[in-house]
Amino acid sequence: KQEVTQIPAALSVPEGENLVLNCSFTDSAIYNLQWFRQDPGKGLTSLLLIQSSQREQTSGRLNASLDKSSGRSTLYIAASQPGDSATYLCALPLGSGNTPLVFGKGTRLSVIA
Amino acid sequence: DARVTQTPRHKVTEMGQEVTMRCQPILGHNTVFWYRQTMMQGLELLAYFRNRAPLDDSGMPKDRFSAEMPDATLATLKIQPSEPRDSAVYFCASGLVGGVAKNIQYFGAGTRLSVL
Repeated sequence: KQEVTQIPAALSVPEGENLVLNCSFTDSAIYNLQWFRQDPGKGLTSLLLIQSSQREQTSGRLNASLDKSSGRSTLYIAASQPGDSATYLCALPLGSGNTPLVFGKGTRLSVIA
Repeated sequence: DARVTQTPRHKVTEMGQEVTMRCQPILGHNTVFWYRQTMMQGLELLAYFRNRAPLDDSGMPKDRFSAEMPDATLATLKIQPSEPRDSAVYFCASGLVGGVAKNIQYFGAGTRLSVL
């Protein structure tokens, strides 16, 4: 059974700092890995999806990496801004195609101006 | 701007009452998911449908929860009778199998349920 862990559970950084969020998973036979953002009282927004054959994906100031062999993914946020404050979740599908996701419990990020 | 729509956004009810949550998936999406989010457990799958057929509802307490898709534009999640431990945020998500946008799930804003 796939288990997903995110450390730390909460993180507070000053504006402008580069930061890394971590995600680890127990079963390396994955199809892809997604990073989501959740704002308070809102739904989840997909940020990046990395296919199992990829090592990293980039979108603006976000860069996600994937190391299947070690069961780890990182989300790198460059030049953090107060607007980046949110909870970040990583998730992996149970199977191929659009199948249910197994989520970590998230890292709650606060960027202080 | 295509989005998943969930109603109601908030629901407060008393223990024992029936609760119905509704979800309108993005038009054309053939897969619908129901997840529940709590502080203790995080996000967990309750049920999901493909082409309106239920594929997995093992995450739901069968004695009180039921999920249906009466048509391609509506998914419902019912709890009868509701209990305080059902208090959580319930999310609906939809997506496509196949195509460029495969594997991406689009989430609604959720229904925050409080059972007193």
